[in-house]
Amino acid sequence: GAVVSQHPSRVICKSGTSVKIECRSLDFQATTMFWYRQFPKQSLMLMATSNEGSKATYEQGVEKDKFLINHASLTLSTLTVTSAHPEDSSFYICSASSPRWGKNIQYFGAGTRLSVL
Amino acid sequence: QKEVEQDPGPLSVPEGAIVSLNCTYSNSAFQYFMWYRQYSRKGPELLMYTYSSGNKEDGRFTAQVDKSSKYISLFIRDSQPSDSATYLCAMYSGGSNYKLTFGKGTLLTVNP
Repeated sequence: GAVVSQHPSRVICKSGTSVKIECRSLDFQATTMFWYRQFPKQSLMLMATSNEGSKATYEQGVEKDKFLINHASLTLSTLTVTSAHPEDSSFYICSASSPRWGKNIQYFGAGTRLSVL
Repeated sequence: QKEVEQDPGPLSVPEGAIVSLNCTYSNSAFQYFMWYRQYSRKGPELLMYTYSSGNKEDGRFTAQVDKSSKYISLFIRDSQPSDSATYLCAMYSGGSNYKLTFGKGTLLTVNP
């Protein structure tokens, strides 16, 4: 299967700082990447969809200025949590898809656990 | 009514048992159905992908889709302790937004 690398796997930061999470497709070109948030014992909540070279499409209720998404190349998307607060602590997961399989098949990264103190 | 309903479990079975995991859905537009396995503190891993109604088998795993009943299943034969994980169903209508709708996931434990 396709490999999606997400980094870092774990980050602890102070309230008010910004944190950047990277998502890379290692063996394919990902025209679309998705960012999810997952709370304990809950399913994945889609935050935004990003297509290479264009602005991300955010889901209702997700603050664009707080969760900055950049998809600058076909293999890299980044999520920056700006001015993080304890309520932003969560498990963030990216996924990537390719025309090779159709955009409805998504391959996921291993996730990033963010803890804001 | 939620679009996708999935019993969260937990489900505990002995090694070697046949496991049945299920989801129901309300949106008749869904055409593509997936099962993901998620180990603790890891991202989901695609297990099975099916289009429309029917069965699909891959090793010890069988996925079934019954669109008339809006019901999908994942069967695991000869379950192993390594199958212990959360299983998420996901589905998609084929629209242009490419959004997957996930179930909440079922936590499975296979006891040696």
